[in-house]
Parts: sequence; structure tokens; C-alpha cells
Amino acid sequence: SYALTQPPSVSVAPGKTARITCGGNNIGSKGVHWYQQKPGQAPVLVINYDNDRPSGIPERISGTNSGNTATLTISRVEAGDEADYYCQVWHGISDPSVVFGGGTKLTVL
Amino acid sequence: QVQLVESGGGVVQPGRSLRLSCAASGFTFKSYAMHWVRQAPGKGLEWVAVITYDGGKKYSADSVKGRFTISRDNSKSTLYLQMDTLRPEDTALYYCARVQGGTTSGNIDLWGQGTLVTVS
Repeated sequence: SYALTQPPSVSVAPGKTARITCGGNNIGSKGVHWYQQKPGQAPVLVINYDNDRPSGIPERISGTNSGNTATLTISRVEAGDEADYYCQVWHGISDPSVVFGGGTKLTVL
Repeated sequence: QVQLVESGGGVVQPGRSLRLSCAASGFTFKSYAMHWVRQAPGKGLEWVAVITYDGGKKYSADSVKGRFTISRDNSKSTLYLQMDTLRPEDTALYYCARVQGGTTSGNIDLWGQGTLVTVS
């Protein structure tokens, strides 16, 4: 089965840049989606198909995907960015599945 | 407004069954594939199952295969999850979620608030 690996936690000072990675075998060949989840709330899509921002998501949030690593980048980090972030792909053809990464807790220092 | 509202959660003994429902409103339900995604307390997101817009194809995670069944009634704009032979490790908040676009492989663009299932 296919697995996505994320660091459990990332810490960053306000105003700095946070980078959250998502590792998977040849993930660059897949479309990667990123979700933000704050405590007690449902997830919210922040990036779809590697680097596309849904309406309402600030330009500070961006994504890249190449080789075996996808990366979510949050520039000029604010206190309100503190949340859990999950990457997600669609995998397989004959018996496809949705795969989520284990999630990364972003802490704003 | 556009929303998904789950119901049917509760406390159930191991080995018993439970059926979750998800009522959709504010959009054309029959045009969208739908997922169930769960989240155990303090843990990450885990995909459970997906169904195509017309119910013609269904896929599920290995962890629930043979025990859980996803279905839908487009005339009622409702998604279901029949959960049989429940185990303690099925304890989680169960989210209903909409797939953007007309296929099963797109991103999730709408989530419900979840319904809690406790197997104990």
C-alpha cells in the first residue's frame, strides 16, 4: 500500500517561513492536496493539485511537488496559521484509495 | 447554504452495528462523489470509503473492507455508512465529505462537522 510521511511537528517564529514536507514514492507523479485543521474544527482545503489555491486562501500559502517530496510553504507566518496540516493523494487504479499523511502540527512560537 | 450534516453516531458495543447518515443541502448532491473520513481521538485523518456520484462504484480502506458499506440515496440527498462488526479501534469522529468535480479522485472541498462513534 502507498504511504505518505510527514514530520510530526514544525515550529516557526511569526513572520518567518514554514515548510511542511510530505514524502511518498514518486509522489511527483500524483496530484497532492493539503488541508488545514484547527482544534475542534473540520479540515479545510488550502492547496489542491500541488499548487492551486482555493478561493479565500491567502497567497502566503503555496505548494510544490516533485520527485518523492511535496512541500507546503507558509510565508510570513501568523498566529492564526497554527494548526494541523495533512497532505492527501489518490492512489491506485484497479482498487484505488485515498491516502492521507500522518499530519504535521505547526506551532507558531 | 451548502452543508453536510452527519448523524447516527453514538456508543455501541463491540461486534454490534451502526448506520451513519449524512444529509446534504445547498448543492446538487447527485453530481458529486462522496467520502467518509474518520479521525480517532487525538489522531490524524483516515480515509474510510468513497462512492461515485451515481453509486455505481464504491471503494473502501482495507481496515474496514468487508465490515463497512457506503451507499447513497440521491432522491434524498443522503449518504450512508453501514458499519457492522464494530471494533474498539473504529472509535472515531466520522466525517462526510464531498469530492470536488465529477470524479472520485479529486480533492475534498466540503466537510461536515462529524458524528462521534464510540465502540466500547
